[in-house]
Amino acid sequence: DTGVSQNPRHKITKRGQNVTFRCDPISEHNRLYWYRQTLGQGPEFLTYFQNEAQLEKSRLLSDRFSAERPKGSFSTLEIQRTEQGDSAMYLCASSPPGRGNQPQHFGDGTRLSIL
Amino acid sequence: AQSVTQLDSQVPVFEEAPVELRCNYSSSVSVYLFWYVQYPNQGLQLLLKYLSGSTLVKGINGFEAEFNKSQTSFHLRKPSVHISDTAEYFCAVSGLGGSYIPTFGRGTSLIVHP
Repeated sequence: DTGVSQNPRHKITKRGQNVTFRCDPISEHNRLYWYRQTLGQGPEFLTYFQNEAQLEKSRLLSDRFSAERPKGSFSTLEIQRTEQGDSAMYLCASSPPGRGNQPQHFGDGTRLSIL
Repeated sequence: AQSVTQLDSQVPVFEEAPVELRCNYSSSVSVYLFWYVQYPNQGLQLLLKYLSGSTLVKGINGFEAEFNKSQTSFHLRKPSVHISDTAEYFCAVSGLGGSYIPTFGRGTSLIVHP
């Protein structure tokens, strides 16, 4: 179990630029989740994959956000035309198959700062 | 729909004192309950989980939690805290038969003073 890996750890960019984050889940986990966390808040759900299928998206996920998980392995989260309000920690988590009883394993996150 | 309320945003305590972090949930279905800990600039780590069975659940680092269905609570306790327990603690709920996606509370910042 090598853990969930997220890259980059930090990203600083100017408003209006596009950014892409990568998440490598634990290899035997078929479920992958993206969350956004702002200061003083818990993780807010963004989107969820089971294998390569994106099964659920939050209403928080505007059309500037897109996520992919080709071949059901790593995942990418892209934000286009970044805005100040996108500044946050973006967390990825994975879990094995189950019916909600499997705890999630989190990466250390990517902290996005918009100048 | 499910929701989680962590009643205290911050809990200061002295080292070696006991602590309780409160969590209440609401859900229209049976639930699974979790507590996670987050240290600065890190992701969340599982402390303990309640799936079924005994209502008293023991976790890592000496923490335990009690599931109380009638009060819809899942409070986290530790009899004697250490400086190293200073961190953010999150309660989470996922619904049996509903969405598998957990809902997290806003977190409680545990601050342990020497």
